[in-house]
Amino acid sequence: DQQVKQNSPSLSVQEGRISILNCDYTNSMFDYFLWYKKYPAEGPTFLISISSIKDKNEDGRFTVFLNKSAKHLSLHIVPSQPGDSAVYFCAASARGTGNQFYFGTGTSLTVIP
Amino acid sequence: SAVISQKPSRDICQRGTSLTIQCQVDSQVTMMFWYRQQPGQSLTLIATANQGSEATYESGFVIDKFPISRPNLTFSTLTVSNMSPEDSSIYLCSVVGDVYTEAFFGQGTRLTVV
Repeated sequence: DQQVKQNSPSLSVQEGRISILNCDYTNSMFDYFLWYKKYPAEGPTFLISISSIKDKNEDGRFTVFLNKSAKHLSLHIVPSQPGDSAVYFCAASARGTGNQFYFGTGTSLTVIP
Repeated sequence: SAVISQKPSRDICQRGTSLTIQCQVDSQVTMMFWYRQQPGQSLTLIATANQGSEATYESGFVIDKFPISRPNLTFSTLTVSNMSPEDSSIYLCSVVGDVYTEAFFGQGTRLTVV
């Protein structure tokens, strides 16, 4: 049972435009959400996170939005750069119930120069 | 942050054989995690490895197939035993930060079973 879902396997965006990556979850116990970026032949690297007590967290060009009622989060990248081309995973955890992170299937972002 | 070295980075193995993947962390950590990413799939937790005790396996994964060692606080191994083509995946080790804010990953081992 996939508790974290990324329904778009791929996304193409022009350089300089906004990239929006979406993620849905089903477990209402999740209280911490993360985005990871993965290049080929490398492990995932942490990008940005958000706690369930917030609805927005911003770090430079990256902003994560959380809509708890809809069980939905999104990652906005503005402006998109060719170096952002990678696979992006969202992840969720329920910190009070253990240390397991649940990952989505990933969205492959291609930023076209 | 934690720096994780994982090896081998890739291997091609014959079915029926076993492969041991090593994971070295640059700091002492209580728990280490092993994940599998099959083609087109999400990262799936295989097991959690605590130093000094047996690993805890997730549903669908068993110790006979994926034995894990955790001899100290900076090192762990995962063995994929009696491999079949269905075991072809990327295997990743991971640790969690001190304040449990994020997980850090090794670069992964891309395993192909032929």
